[in-house]
Amino acid sequence: DAMVIQNPRYQVTQFGKPVTLSCSQTLNHNVMYWYQQKSSQAPKLLFHYYDKDFNNEADTPDNFQSRRPNTSFCFLDIRSPGLGDAAMYLCATREERLGATRGNYNEQFFGPGTRLTVL
Amino acid sequence: GDSVTQMEGPVTLSEEAFLTINCTYTATGYPSLFWYVQYPGEGLQLLLKATKADDKGSNKGFEATYRKETTSFHLEKGSVQVSDSAVYFCALRSTSGTYKYIFGTGTRLKVLA
Repeated sequence: DAMVIQNPRYQVTQFGKPVTLSCSQTLNHNVMYWYQQKSSQAPKLLFHYYDKDFNNEADTPDNFQSRRPNTSFCFLDIRSPGLGDAAMYLCATREERLGATRGNYNEQFFGPGTRLTVL
Repeated sequence: GDSVTQMEGPVTLSEEAFLTINCTYTATGYPSLFWYVQYPGEGLQLLLKATKADDKGSNKGFEATYRKETTSFHLEKGSVQVSDSAVYFCALRSTSGTYKYIFGTGTRLKVLA
């Protein structure tokens, strides 16, 4: 089945030790998103890629970086994790084509998330 | 800017009770509206959606109608089950030319047997 896959599902890192979370998709969608979700809160958009174009949210800390080497993969790099970065990180994809008719194309598909613990 | 407001939870119901989770939004134009469900330890799954005024989204017994006049998209289900226990998020996709989705804070539903 076509899907959004996140690895690992659970990640433990130490304070200040760089960590990378990965997301892959078999949907061939051109838009990929990274969200941070803390307990009992709404997902917070960190950044997204439209094709190869990177779009950072204004309030996303510099500590968070992203790479998208190809359509299928997207990585979230946290350069120096702090205790406040412990959260669930959600990857999502969507197909967006200019001029496309409205319909399923604007639905986001989410991965299962990676729960990050910072010790 | 665009925003979504959901009723606070948790909402606790007995099995087979009627469910309503209120959602209102603020946006320019005609955003697309969504309900997502999140089960413990999992990502978000699309439950239903509506893309224009008066559209009704429905899935798995859940319904929501896009009400432009009241800027609302309330989620309803006639008879909830224990398996419906989850967190429900209302969301909109802005028409402002970006690709952002705005999520509400989520409403936790607990259904008791």
